[in-house]
Amino acid sequence: AQSVTQPDIHITVSEGASLELRCNYSYGATPYLFWYVQSPGQGLQLLLKYFSGDTLVQGIKGFEAEFKRSQSSFNLRKPSVHWSDAAEYFCAVGAVNTGNQFYFGTGTSLTVIP
Amino acid sequence: NAGVTQTPKFQVLKTGQSMTLQCAQDMNHEYMSWYRQDPGMGLRLIHYSVGAGITDQGEVPNGYNVSRSTTEDFPLRLLSAAPSQTSVYFCASSLRTGNYGYTFGSGTRLTVV
Repeated sequence: AQSVTQPDIHITVSEGASLELRCNYSYGATPYLFWYVQSPGQGLQLLLKYFSGDTLVQGIKGFEAEFKRSQSSFNLRKPSVHWSDAAEYFCAVGAVNTGNQFYFGTGTSLTVIP
Repeated sequence: NAGVTQTPKFQVLKTGQSMTLQCAQDMNHEYMSWYRQDPGMGLRLIHYSVGAGITDQGEVPNGYNVSRSTTEDFPLRLLSAAPSQTSVYFCASSLRTGNYGYTFGSGTRLTVV
């Protein structure tokens, strides 16, 4: 079965600094990969997704993620963080052959310092 | 477009009580699911449905029932609430499967005392 690991429980960055959130997955084939963001008291919102093709995926709110098969990673990046980016970020992985096997990571909490 | 609507937003139950968490979507999505979110554990799938009349168990189904009589609605029933069911519950829908990307409701925070 596939799984996803987010090694960083909490990250703090200064406003305007760059950001990279790590995500590692375990799966025998090419998975479907996702990043979601959760603001306090809200549901999750899809930031971006990777199915196939170009390994650099652009998402909403200026985020991007890069699929690296050799490292089993799908890290989320943003060149310049805004205070409004403070939230919880979840990586998720889905199976290619069945969409019913879908797993979320435990999340990374982002704090942005003014 | 309302998206995915969950009610109630907050609920306190006594151990042994039953209740139904409501979920409705207006996007004509075939796939609907219920997750629970607990600190440090991410989101775990409780039950899901691939269409009206079809439901199946996820990772943590014990103590919960679901039904899907219409495309729009997917209620989650707690049969006999236990303190271990204290959690935040999210309903999510997708066009066909989770691999299309979910639209989430805003959640129900449930406390069982």
